[in-house]
Amino acid sequence: GAGVSQTPSNKVTEKGKYVELRCDPISGHTALYWYRQSLGQGPEFLIYFQGTGAADDSGLPNDRFFAVRPEGSVSTLKIQRTERGDSAVYLCASSSGLGNTIYFGEGSWLTVV
Amino acid sequence: DAKTTQPPSMDCAEGRAANLPCNHSTISGNEYVYWYRQIHSQGPQYIIHGLKNNETNEMASLIITEDRKSSTLILPHATLRDTAVYYCIVRSLNTGTASKLTFGTGTRLQVTL
Repeated sequence: GAGVSQTPSNKVTEKGKYVELRCDPISGHTALYWYRQSLGQGPEFLIYFQGTGAADDSGLPNDRFFAVRPEGSVSTLKIQRTERGDSAVYLCASSSGLGNTIYFGEGSWLTVV
Repeated sequence: DAKTTQPPSMDCAEGRAANLPCNHSTISGNEYVYWYRQIHSQGPQYIIHGLKNNETNEMASLIITEDRKSSTLILPHATLRDTAVYYCIVRSLNTGTASKLTFGTGTRLQVTL
């Protein structure tokens, strides 16, 4: 596709369940970012991949959050033992290289009930 | 990355120019000024960026003061579809920083008839 694609667009899950959110970056983009946005706030950085490796995971809030990018393209954000406070929009973004313009997807809206 | 200061909200009449200010008094020489906007329920959209010269593209113009401590995003003829939250972001392109975007709370621009 032409832009960053995220699935699912909406996810409702029960507290304690495991969730996976998928991101398809723009074709050829080597850099991939995950952000989280709570209501009324700006997006907050979670993790950055350059290729397959997580070059900066300083924004992950705790060890329940994990992300992978095994082949350097698609990435999956994984949340274990979800809590109500994890409810937010999870945004994925990509760029053609470090320092180049970053383009965002439409986000995955996660609601934990 | 340097912090930015933006007014929380602004109004603009449709057809008029919208001038959105941003202060970034602690910006350093290798940091760029980026502008993104976020229309309700969508992912952030890249608008424009610059280092020290004024920039213009099909969406907007960016005016950066000579001392680089502030900038103004100009939407020359605002329409209702420009109603959004506008984020001014200072971004380092040092290879050791992941060049991530650090969002503040932005300016909520309301374009009215």
